[in-house]
Amino acid sequence: RKEVEQDPGPFNVPEGATVAFNCTYSNSASQSFFWYRQDCRKEPKLLMSVYSSGNEDGRFTAQLNRASQYISLLIRDSKLSDSATYLCVVNRNTGTASKLTFGTGTRLQVTL
Amino acid sequence: DVKVTQSSRYLVKRTGEKVFLECVQDMDHENMFWYRQDPGLGLRLIYFSYDVKMKEKGDIPEGYSVSREKKERFSLILESASTNQTSMYLCASSQGGGNQPQHFGDGTRLSIL
Repeated sequence: RKEVEQDPGPFNVPEGATVAFNCTYSNSASQSFFWYRQDCRKEPKLLMSVYSSGNEDGRFTAQLNRASQYISLLIRDSKLSDSATYLCVVNRNTGTASKLTFGTGTRLQVTL
Repeated sequence: DVKVTQSSRYLVKRTGEKVFLECVQDMDHENMFWYRQDPGLGLRLIYFSYDVKMKEKGDIPEGYSVSREKKERFSLILESASTNQTSMYLCASSQGGGNQPQHFGDGTRLSIL
């Protein structure tokens, strides 16, 4: 089983739609969680951290379910510019430096 | 804003060459990382460093080495390049302590012929 699993998609949605991605992780000792966004042929960029209580940043909402070991990302009112690959990332503190494990990403394509 | 700078965007080398990829960050971060990213495999950690002159192997260290002589600079070395090392290489840095996000450079697309 992969440490972090995501549906690769693609998710094709019209502008204005709401779309949700889920991600599962295998290590119950994982301590913190992130969503990154990666545009084609670009580097990953931090979209948001995911907190236990859930958190929102504008049109983006992230939630964590520790009991079921999954993380979700909800995008409301999708824009064309949201088209990208969304990487679910789990941080496991090794004791020396925090190590990130990346999912392979979910591709989103927002269309007119 | 955090700035992580990789020395080259595109690089073409030949099999057997020794290849150096350089990375510099300007935020005084303790931790630095080297990944490679391949289609269908995602990002895989090659090596990381949590302090000057300190290094630890990641998930796929074979065929690579690293050097961290100064806090801001982390170099990845391909001792004898092979065609299966053709990939996108990404450097990242983060603050010390646990649970910190990482910030990435633009990446180096390396082709080994």
